[in-house]
Amino acid sequence: DVKVTQSSRYLVKRTGEKVFLECVQDMDHENMFWYRQDPGLGLRLIYFSYDVKMKEKGDIPEGYSVSREKKERFSLILESASTNQTSMYLCASSPPGPVDEQYFGPGTRLTVT
Amino acid sequence: AQRVTQPEKLLSVFKGAPVELKCNYSYSGSPELFWYVQYSRQRLQLLLRHISRESIKGFTADLNKGETSFHLKKPFAQEEDSAMYYCALRGFGNEKLTFGTGTRLTIIP
Repeated sequence: DVKVTQSSRYLVKRTGEKVFLECVQDMDHENMFWYRQDPGLGLRLIYFSYDVKMKEKGDIPEGYSVSREKKERFSLILESASTNQTSMYLCASSPPGPVDEQYFGPGTRLTVT
Repeated sequence: AQRVTQPEKLLSVFKGAPVELKCNYSYSGSPELFWYVQYSRQRLQLLLRHISRESIKGFTADLNKGETSFHLKKPFAQEEDSAMYYCALRGFGNEKLTFGTGTRLTIIP
């Protein structure tokens, strides 16, 4: 059974802080994704990675960066958190191939004050 | 460019009534379409994919390329169907999914 875990369920940070969101998957998946989920806007892709040290920008990468040093771990970094980054952040992983589903983590609700 | 439109943000249906969640897409090639569901306090999960032509929890969805639609249907709604539903599209040869804005379905007892 695929398991995707995220380091925190809830996080409160101050404006300007550097924020790290961690995601770990235990199924040896090549692909990993970071989304933000906002009411009325659905899921929007921030970044994804198709292999270690490989990354590609999604639809809304501004203000974010990512790191993938190991296959099982994909980190999302907010270099200087802002209030408009308050959101639910979802991590997902999938094996390569067009038909396979994405497996999601439980989400991290980040509040920036 | 690929785009997914779910016109209804909220949908309320009485228990036992038919359900239809609308999804329209824009994509120039042959898409792969999915429905994902998020029940209260649970993680987002795959409900069904068009390529499998399967019925999951009584739900079906048919890809209509002429109308560029992938509506989700169930003949008789149940209370446990209350959830957030997202339609998603993957372009040919692409690993990324494009999601719609979601529809919150509420089943009225």
